[in-house]
Amino acid sequence: AQSVTQLGSHVSVSEGALVLLRCNYSSSVPPYLFWYVQYPNQGLQLLLKYTSAATLVKGINGFEAEFKKSETSFHLTKPSAHMSDAAEYFCAVRGRDDKIIFGKGTRLHILP
Amino acid sequence: SAVISQKPSRDICQRGTSLTIQCQVDSQVTMMFWYRQQPGQSLTLIATANQGSEATYESGFVIDKFPISRPNLTFSTLTVSNMSPEDSSIYLCSVGHNEQFFGPGTRLTVL
Repeated sequence: AQSVTQLGSHVSVSEGALVLLRCNYSSSVPPYLFWYVQYPNQGLQLLLKYTSAATLVKGINGFEAEFKKSETSFHLTKPSAHMSDAAEYFCAVRGRDDKIIFGKGTRLHILP
Repeated sequence: SAVISQKPSRDICQRGTSLTIQCQVDSQVTMMFWYRQQPGQSLTLIATANQGSEATYESGFVIDKFPISRPNLTFSTLTVSNMSPEDSSIYLCSVGHNEQFFGPGTRLTVL
């Protein structure tokens, strides 16, 4: 069965600092992995996805994630945090029958 | 990509009543998914709706509580029946294969 674990329900970084949000996955088949972002009172927006092509995936808003099979990880990074990055971030894996299984989410706080 | 709209965007309902949420997609899709996001929580899949067949429900969700219709390839409804305050959540529909696109959600508050 597929699952994802996000380490840290809350992460705080200073504006301009590196953003690192951690995600580990479990999958019995080659995984499709996703990062979604949810801004306050808004729907989900796809940041980026991994679908077995390049292991370093670039997404929108300067975010990227690296798929590491040996570590079963898919951590999300951004070199320099901006105040507008404050949101809830969800790591997800595609399971059987195209179902998306979400992690519990990490709320990113940006400190001025 | 797909553009998804949901109605209503939000509602406040009384205990014991039912609410039907509509999901409209701008293209034909085989499968549609319904999720629930309880306050401060992640998303949980309620059911998968295929056109022309009964919806498939995840563990913990039943058809009597969350009946789903899928009359054509661009539309689906989810009904939250006999509501209680514990049903207060955001309900989202989504579509997609290699990646899923989500509607804006319906924010439901049950008093």
